[in-house]
Amino acid sequence: GQQLNQSPQSMFIQEGEDVSMNCTSSSIFNTWLWYKQDPGEGPVLLIALYKAGELTSNGRLTAQFGITRKDSFLNISASIPSDVGIYFCAGQKYGNKLVFGAGTILRVKS
Amino acid sequence: NAGVTQTPKFQVLKTGQSMTLQCAQDMNHNSMYWYRQDPGMGLRLIYYSASEGTTDKGEVPNGYNVSRLNKREFSLRLESAAPSQTSVYFCASSQFAGASTYEQYFGPGTRLTVT
Repeated sequence: GQQLNQSPQSMFIQEGEDVSMNCTSSSIFNTWLWYKQDPGEGPVLLIALYKAGELTSNGRLTAQFGITRKDSFLNISASIPSDVGIYFCAGQKYGNKLVFGAGTILRVKS
Repeated sequence: NAGVTQTPKFQVLKTGQSMTLQCAQDMNHNSMYWYRQDPGMGLRLIYYSASEGTTDKGEVPNGYNVSRLNKREFSLRLESAAPSQTSVYFCASSQFAGASTYEQYFGPGTRLTVT
């Protein structure tokens, strides 16, 4: 079953706003990954985190590997319309297998 | 360099029919995966192949079989489709070793409806 809790489930953004989302687990993970999925497409890797406490940026995106190894955070600064989509966190515990969160849906405020 | 490709993009089956979903990657990756995506449930692993010649069950393997045909290709077969297998299916690949071992790259998906 689902081992990662991703929140919020969905959120509305206004252009220019900063956005935060997170992923938590009761278990320790060795690697955290963040993906974005556009409608009708496959997930695209945004950021990979390999060490506890690590903070990594990719343009306007910043992600952190929690110090307890049980959580990770993704921030998007100065959001733009093309940021809408579904954001997934994924954790690696053992072997090559990943466990995925249920996703955070980002929508535009009208 | 196409990355991960999947065929077909869409498929409608009747209950009991069989079909094979095809996946190929051109990144010289060793590991390949099949996932299904259902609303509100994220991605769930069906089967994976850590390297050519090996396959293992994931979280939801019942009703599916796989074949790792060669290093590039990994197919997923539904022997007798059921409505519960209506889903979007994604293939992914990753390197087996090295710094980016766990970074998986996804294909565009196959949208399957079983009536």
